[in-house]
Amino acid sequence: DAGVTQSPTHLIKTRGQHVTLRCSPISGHKSVSWYQQVLGQGPQFIFQYYEKEERGRGNFPDRFSARQFPNYSSELNVNALLLGDSALYLCASSLDWGRVDEQYFGPGTRLTVT
Amino acid sequence: LAKTTQPISMDSYEGQEVNITCSHNNIATNDYITWYQQFPSQGPRFIIQGYKTKVTNEVASLFIPADRKSSTLSLPRVSLSDTAVYYCLVGRGGGADGLTFGKGTHLIIQP
Repeated sequence: DAGVTQSPTHLIKTRGQHVTLRCSPISGHKSVSWYQQVLGQGPQFIFQYYEKEERGRGNFPDRFSARQFPNYSSELNVNALLLGDSALYLCASSLDWGRVDEQYFGPGTRLTVT
Repeated sequence: LAKTTQPISMDSYEGQEVNITCSHNNIATNDYITWYQQFPSQGPRFIIQGYKTKVTNEVASLFIPADRKSSTLSLPRVSLSDTAVYYCLVGRGGGADGLTFGKGTHLIIQP
């Protein structure tokens, strides 16, 4: 079975630009979460979506937004990129929301902002 | 959210048993303890989860004392491929607050 997939694998952007990252969850999983991982730190929670609705938001500015589509795939958008947005962006999917459940992470998208 | 404290790094050798302890003094009654493993440039991978006493699966054991203020991840007979960062998480898992990761423990296995 295919795991969580993310695209693109790597991305280089310039300050002030906009970026869209994509995630496809494991088949049958309805919940998708996004995390940002800066080098040397653990992943930090950005958003969680379930059944196309935002169910949780971490401490990130409004430049970060996301959505979930009817097929449960998801996009993370970041506007007005800053150098500090350079990080590994991880997507995780799970069967349900609000349960103590395993989160299955994708390989991530490495974003570099110059 | 319960805060966790774990060693920044640990070293061991192939074939040894490795125990990584995590402190979580403010754990809530309905919190579970979950451990993840992460290799460089990969997403974290679930290892084991427990609520109390002992849990064992094919890759690790998790020991949780009665007061639940700490937990110990035990990796039997480690190999070089177990070199990774190990995160201890405490909480409800996939709820609205997401998973809260600390800095983790960088485990280095030597030949």
